[in-house]
Amino acid sequence: DAMVIQNPRYQVTQFGKPVTLSCSQTLNHNVMYWYQQKSSQAPKLLFHYYDKDFNNEADTPDNFQSRRPNTSFCFLDIRSPGLGDAAMYLCATSHPSGRAPETQYFGPGTRLLVL
Amino acid sequence: AQSVTQLGSHVSVSEGALVLLRCNYSSSVPPYLFWYVQYPNQGLQLLLKYTSAATLVKGINGFEAEFKKSETSFHLTKPSAHMSDAAEYFCAVFGSSNTGKLIFGQGTTLQVKP
Repeated sequence: DAMVIQNPRYQVTQFGKPVTLSCSQTLNHNVMYWYQQKSSQAPKLLFHYYDKDFNNEADTPDNFQSRRPNTSFCFLDIRSPGLGDAAMYLCATSHPSGRAPETQYFGPGTRLLVL
Repeated sequence: AQSVTQLGSHVSVSEGALVLLRCNYSSSVPPYLFWYVQYPNQGLQLLLKYTSAATLVKGINGFEAEFKKSETSFHLTKPSAHMSDAAEYFCAVFGSSNTGKLIFGQGTTLQVKP
């Protein structure tokens, strides 16, 4: 089945230690998104790639970076995680066509714990 | 700017009862609206979406939603709740075609009592 895969599902890191979360997709979608979701809150968009074009949200901290080496993979790098970065990180994909927006398909998420 | 407001952060119903989750939107352009469900420690799954076709939209798992422009609402309903419906539900509006951004409501936790 075509899908969005996130690894690992749970990630523990230390305060200030860089960490990378990965997302892959078999849907061949050209847009990939990273959302941050803190406990009991709505997902918040950090950035997205439209093909190779990177689009950063204005309020995304510089501590968060992303890479998309090819269509299938996208990475979220947190350069110096703080305690406030503990959250669920959701990857999503879509394939816009025409004027109507296409559905965003979400992965299962990676829960990040910062010690 | 587009936004959505979900009325009621927690809704509790008995199994077999009607489910009604409320969502109101604000948009300066015809909106594209979505309902997603999130089970514990899972990603979001699309329930249904409105993209300016039929105003009554049927989704998965017996859910449906009706777009009412006069009330700026897109409430989610299900005639008979099942225990497996217990989850977090998010209403979302598409920001604009330029950003690809989904703007989510704060979510409603649905509890289903036996």
